[in-house]
Amino acid sequence: NAGVMQNPRHLVRRRGQEARLRCSPMKGHSHVYWYRQLPEEGLKFMVYLQKENIIDESGMPKERFSAEFPKEGPSILRIQQVVRGDSAAYFCASSPYDVSYEQYFGPGTRLTVT
Amino acid sequence: AQSVTQLDSQVPVFEEAPVELRCNYSSSVSVYLFWYVQYPNQGLQLLLKYLSGSTLVKGINGFEAEFNKSQTSFHLRKPSVHISDTAEYFCAVSDSDTDKLIFGTGTRLQVFP
Repeated sequence: NAGVMQNPRHLVRRRGQEARLRCSPMKGHSHVYWYRQLPEEGLKFMVYLQKENIIDESGMPKERFSAEFPKEGPSILRIQQVVRGDSAAYFCASSPYDVSYEQYFGPGTRLTVT
Repeated sequence: AQSVTQLDSQVPVFEEAPVELRCNYSSSVSVYLFWYVQYPNQGLQLLLKYLSGSTLVKGINGFEAEFNKSQTSFHLRKPSVHISDTAEYFCAVSDSDTDKLIFGTGTRLQVFP
């Protein structure tokens, strides 16, 4: 059973470009969470999604950031017009329907904005 | 809102010595508590979790943690560390009302030969 997959593992973008991060949850998992880890800090919750539904986006910046988890395909975290402060590691986690507190993490995408 | 405090940002220790990494959380009616380990440039791996029942929880790689409700603590311990335990350790909490994890700022465990 493959774990949570994220791609790309490393992403370099110039200021003003768009960054698109993908997350494929573990097989059978219907919940996806995105977290951001700034340098030398812990992980901060961003958004919690189920298929075709955003459950909690209380940790998402109000502008430029969006997330989706379509019926088919991976979950996408999109950052428009990236700035240097967006440089961070972005982690995706997934959980099964009936144990949503048990989250399994992917390897992360390290975004560098130049 | 829930919060997690990891009092030590770095813990240096010699190989085969015991270690304790401290974690305190803000009180709540019911909480789930977790310890994750992050090796350099990798994702997080679950070490152990407390959901209910016995307050002493055993995890992988010889780690254990004790849930202390009166002190709102969930300290991680290992009786004898190995060089390969060098990593960042994160304590996290979620409560029964929300599904998100609240993380501490992490403790960097450095094991020296």
